[in-house]
Amino acid sequence: DIQMTQSPSSLSASVGDRVTITCQASQDISKSLNWYQQKPGKAPKVLIYDASNLQTGVPSRFSGSGSGTDFTFTIGSLQPEDFATYYCQQYYKLPRTFGQGTKVEVK
Amino acid sequence: QVQLVESGGGLVKPGGSLRLSCAGSTLTLSDNYMSWIRQAPGKGLEWVAYISGSGATTKYADSVKGRFTISRDNAKNSLFLQMNSLTGEDTAVYYCARDRGYCISGSCGYYFDYWGQGTLVTVSS
Repeated sequence: DIQMTQSPSSLSASVGDRVTITCQASQDISKSLNWYQQKPGKAPKVLIYDASNLQTGVPSRFSGSGSGTDFTFTIGSLQPEDFATYYCQQYYKLPRTFGQGTKVEVK
Repeated sequence: QVQLVESGGGLVKPGGSLRLSCAGSTLTLSDNYMSWIRQAPGKGLEWVAYISGSGATTKYADSVKGRFTISRDNAKNSLFLQMNSLTGEDTAVYYCARDRGYCISGSCGYYFDYWGQGTLVTVSS
């Protein structure tokens, strides 16, 4: 299975901060990577697909980049509603696997 | 507004069985690949299985292969997950989700765009 490793596991930030999360795949996955946001008690929501494509309706402060094994997810200016857990997920090969998650908390 | 509604979760003893359902409203499930994804309490997400629109193709995570069966009833616009030989490691919230396929400039991919609210399965004696 392809292992997805996110860093950091958690971070503390303030409204207005720029937040960056990295995701590393255990093998080359090209651009086959999605990013999700999950709030407590809710289902995940897709933000970025194909490494860098913004899902319809998602604010432009969210962005993604990378290919191969190294990927980055950025929130340009953190908003109050962005405190949540973020997951990367690869679809290059079955089984589809997720990173362990990065919890973005209030500083 | 697309809605997926799961049901069928609950408390079951180790070794027992449970059947989860996922009903679609405004989304015709037979037009789509559908997946089950689970999340153990306080843990991350784990893809469990998917099924093609016709039902002819199914794939499973190794952790559930041989114990879980994904199926669909297109006439009822419903998706199912039959879970047998349950253990404590199967305790989780189970989500159904649309497995959306797309192609951009010849490159194709997949992401989970519509999710249900989840149904909790607890395996305990």
